[in-house]
Amino acid sequence: SQQGEEDPQALSIQEGENATMNCSYKTSINNLQWYRQNSGRGLVHLILIRSNEREKHSGRLRVTLDTSKKSSSLLITASRAADTASYFCATDADSNYQLIWGAGTKLIIKP
Amino acid sequence: DTGVSQDPRHKITKRGQNVTFRCDPISEHNRLYWYRQTLGQGPEFLTYFQNEAQLEKSRLLSDRFSAERPKGSFSTLEIQRTEQGDSAMYLCASSFYHGRIPGEQYFGPGTRLTVT
Repeated sequence: SQQGEEDPQALSIQEGENATMNCSYKTSINNLQWYRQNSGRGLVHLILIRSNEREKHSGRLRVTLDTSKKSSSLLITASRAADTASYFCATDADSNYQLIWGAGTKLIIKP
Repeated sequence: DTGVSQDPRHKITKRGQNVTFRCDPISEHNRLYWYRQTLGQGPEFLTYFQNEAQLEKSRLLSDRFSAERPKGSFSTLEIQRTEQGDSAMYLCASSFYHGRIPGEQYFGPGTRLTVT
């Protein structure tokens, strides 16, 4: 079963534009994480935001968390061709911090 | 390379055969996870270990699946009597768990299983 749902399922933008992806989840969480998956390169951790945090930055990434709406957004600024990948949100809701994943947003950056 | 490694990278087997995959985590990590991922979906949790103890196994996981982590180092995932529905990418990840902070998970490249 999947807890998170990313929106949109696919996003295609021009290089240099900003990309925003959203994630909604169903139950209360401890933390929410975003990962990136390139074809052939595996999953890479991007950022973790705790349930008591509202916003976090890492380089060109900005993540927000709204626990009242059970949603999070990932903003990638000044997109590059190398950002082309699938982006997943994963939440952990129990005392074991087991991650539950969404189906991902496929991001394509057009040169 | 000190990342997570998985072997083999690809496995083609006939229905009904048994297969075994291996995962070598990052050496200082105490947690090891197995996931399954099908095309267009996110990873689906299968099971995880803390050191050598298997702490949780997905309720969706068939009894044909078994995993071990002897001595708390590498892990193996065995699928018995494979079915075509087992075709997927099997991902291994490791992390260092300390107290309440879950730690980021580092993923291996995966083993792609095709059951014919």
